[in-house]
Amino acid sequence: EPEVTQTPSHQVTQMGQEVILRCVPISNHLYFYWYRQILGQKVEFLVSFYNNEISEKSEIFDDQFSVERPDGSNFTLKIRSTKLEDSAMYFCASYRLASSYNEQFFGPGTRLTVL
Amino acid sequence: KQEVTQIPAALSVPEGENLVLNCSFTDSAIYNLQWFRQDPGKGLTSLLLIQSSQREQTSGRLNASLDKSSGRSTLYIAASQPGDSATYLCAVTGGKLIFGQGTELSVKP
Repeated sequence: EPEVTQTPSHQVTQMGQEVILRCVPISNHLYFYWYRQILGQKVEFLVSFYNNEISEKSEIFDDQFSVERPDGSNFTLKIRSTKLEDSAMYFCASYRLASSYNEQFFGPGTRLTVL
Repeated sequence: KQEVTQIPAALSVPEGENLVLNCSFTDSAIYNLQWFRQDPGKGLTSLLLIQSSQREQTSGRLNASLDKSSGRSTLYIAASQPGDSATYLCAVTGGKLIFGQGTELSVKP
């Protein structure tokens, strides 16, 4: 069964460093999302992406964040200068069409630890 | 602004018991409601999706209901098993998902 994959599973970085989190959505999906979950807190929406552009972003998604679909399969989240508070689990999700049955499928997540 | 709340925050039951998890949301203008399971330190597994026009969905021992007018959904788990132990999240969508904080379920053998 097709699934969303994410790499790396765990990333440790120093404060101020740039990180790129990678996702490979399900191949025929058209809508892509990033969410994050700080330990012990709710899963929060970061950004949605469709047709090679951002369709919606949250207040969290400031100038330090960017997303890109560099080729037909990968979807990346870049954090330019990481802060301690960026430590969280980051989830990529995708779904196929804007229909009434737009079930989102999630990847296993990347645990980002900022030291 | 849509808010999603789940009650209880944690639940411990003996194996074999039937149980109900609750989810409420403040804005009834939702597209779908999706229930997920999350094991510790892991990703989100979709369990059930209820479209806004539906009242319930069933998958195996799981049954989810939706009452849009009252802003509520329930997830019913029949004959619970220790393997059901996990955190259960509900999320409403009009595109992006807005999550509740989850119910941590522990099923004791």
